[in-house]
Amino acid sequence: KQEVTQIPAALSVPEGENLVLNCSFTDSAIYNLQWFRQDPGKGLTSLLLIQSSQREQTSGRLNASLDKSSGRSTLYIAASQPGDSATYLCAVNLDSGYALNFGKGTSLLVTP
Amino acid sequence: DAGITQSPRYKITETGRQVTLMCHQTWSHSYMFWYRQDLGHGLRLIYYSAAADITDKGEVPDGYVVSRSKTENFPLTLESATRSQTSVYFCASTGGMGTKNIQYFGAGTRLSVL
Repeated sequence: KQEVTQIPAALSVPEGENLVLNCSFTDSAIYNLQWFRQDPGKGLTSLLLIQSSQREQTSGRLNASLDKSSGRSTLYIAASQPGDSATYLCAVNLDSGYALNFGKGTSLLVTP
Repeated sequence: DAGITQSPRYKITETGRQVTLMCHQTWSHSYMFWYRQDLGHGLRLIYYSAAADITDKGEVPDGYVVSRSKTENFPLTLESATRSQTSVYFCASTGGMGTKNIQYFGAGTRLSVL
């Protein structure tokens, strides 16, 4: 069974800092990996998707990398802002159309 | 409106009652999913569907029933609600093969079973 782990579980940083969120998974035979953002009481918003053949994806201040052989992904957030405060979830997909296996998330607080 | 919508957004019910949570998507996505989110467990798969009239169990299916008579709808029914089914329920969809397989989520239904 695919296990997905996210470290740290919670993180507090001052505004302006660059930060890295970590995700690891036990089965390297993934189809893709998706990073989501979840605001309190809200649904999940897809941030980035990395196909298994890719090494990284970028969107604005966000950069996600994937090292499939070692079972790791990182989400890099540049120049953090208070509006980035949310829970970030990592999820892996074993094949097209399959359900996602989620980590438990990293709760991020960016203080002004 | 385009997208994936869930209803109701909030529901309070009593133990033993039947409850149906609705999910509707406008993209004609083949694949649809129901997850539940609980503190300490993260999101776990309840049921999924690869197409109309094709459904299968996920990690935590006990006490739930699904149907999918139309591609766009995927209702989840709690046959006899229990307190352990108090949770936040999310529906998701994806186009599957030939697409990027991005999963899109509804806003969720917060269910309390008293």
